[in-house]
Amino acid sequence: GQQLNQSPQSMFIQEGEDVSMNCTSSSIFNTWLWYKQDPGEGPVLLIALYKAGELTSNGRLTAQFGITRKDSFLNISASIPSDVGIYFCAGQLPLPIKAAGNKLTFGGGTRVLVKP
Amino acid sequence: EPEVTQTPSHQVTQMGQEVILRCVPISNHLYFYWYRQILGQKVEFLVSFYNNEISEKSEIFDDQFSVERPDGSNFTLKIRSTKLEDSAMYFCASSGTGLNQPQHFGDGTRLSIL
Repeated sequence: GQQLNQSPQSMFIQEGEDVSMNCTSSSIFNTWLWYKQDPGEGPVLLIALYKAGELTSNGRLTAQFGITRKDSFLNISASIPSDVGIYFCAGQLPLPIKAAGNKLTFGGGTRVLVKP
Repeated sequence: EPEVTQTPSHQVTQMGQEVILRCVPISNHLYFYWYRQILGQKVEFLVSFYNNEISEKSEIFDDQFSVERPDGSNFTLKIRSTKLEDSAMYFCASSGTGLNQPQHFGDGTRLSIL
């Protein structure tokens, strides 16, 4: 099946720093999604990308859908303490007929921690 | 903002017992999903459901698992005879129809099998 490699696995941030993480796949996806998961909660959608090359922002977050359709990155600018959590990329393949309803394949997550 | 709700938040069950995890998807959504996340691991797809039938299921979703939409609002996951390795967070998600409809997740049910 499809596999997503997400890196880095973890990172320490200091308030005000920019943060970057990415996902790569051996398969082509037609949708890339980025979610954040806080302890004890479910994944919360941050950004959804639907076209190769698309660059989308949501506040301090920016994500891009790679031209090859096999990768995506997420940047967080000027990090703040509440950015701590686990960030997951997820890819979705198209169904031949339906435009929605296909499963998500998740990356392993990037755990963002605060520098002591 | 509409959200997916799941109950219970935590379920503790003896091995071999049946459990039913419940979800109320976002009201105008028609696609429903279950995922699970074993502690410290990635989120894994279990099953998708549309128009009262399973659209796709993973190899994890064996004969011990079943899903049902018993009424107009609930979507359930049943594990018939639980095993220790079923211990995980189980997430329900839903999405709307049409193009570019992302999946939205509930806060999950933590299932602990003793």
